[in-house]
Amino acid sequence: EAQVTQNPRYLITVTGKKLTVTCSQNMNHEYMSWYRQDPGLGLRQIYYSMNVEVTDKGDVPEGYKVSRKEKRNFPLILESPSPNQTSLYFCASSSSGTGFEKLFFGSGTQLSVL
Amino acid sequence: AQKVTQAQTEISVVEKEDVTLDCVYETRDTTYYLFWYKQPPSGELVFLIRRNSFDEQNEISGRYSWNFQKSTSSFNFTITASQVVDSAVYFCALSPTGNQFYFGTGTSLTVIP
Repeated sequence: EAQVTQNPRYLITVTGKKLTVTCSQNMNHEYMSWYRQDPGLGLRQIYYSMNVEVTDKGDVPEGYKVSRKEKRNFPLILESPSPNQTSLYFCASSSSGTGFEKLFFGSGTQLSVL
Repeated sequence: AQKVTQAQTEISVVEKEDVTLDCVYETRDTTYYLFWYKQPPSGELVFLIRRNSFDEQNEISGRYSWNFQKSTSSFNFTITASQVVDSAVYFCALSPTGNQFYFGTGTSLTVIP
């Protein structure tokens, strides 16, 4: 089944403790991106990647890192999480080298930083 | 600056009524794409439609229709004869480059049986 898989679904952590949210797609998609969803703010793009080793900042990249060493994986790294990074995170992928094709989203990761 | 405005935060309709969700966008780019995504209560985000800036033809897909007007920078979404399963949060999005996406704040639609 074609899908974007995020792990974990739920994560509670403490301020400053490094964490990684994994994202993997099995559709051989070139484009992948991360978003955070907050009440009243909609979805905001954090980072995107057009292909392996090609990443760039979205609208709200501060406090986040990403890497794209393999086509299928695009992990989101929070080196020193803070409470304002408590949010619902979505990973997405697209078949084109850009996102002009429809985005396929993962199921989301609810992160709470205490 | 790129911006998407969904002024309607919450809408409630009775089943079988028609409902229109508004989306107004701002961009200085001449080429761009517009999207609608649906987020049902289960939380996943589902693609509904994509339109490019060169194609102002309105589109109908079953009970769904979209009205794209460049003159007013609007890309509105209408559900005809709404059903309970249409209850969801709907997001409008703008992508000028295909790399960066700008989403609206969403409209929460409740269809009352």
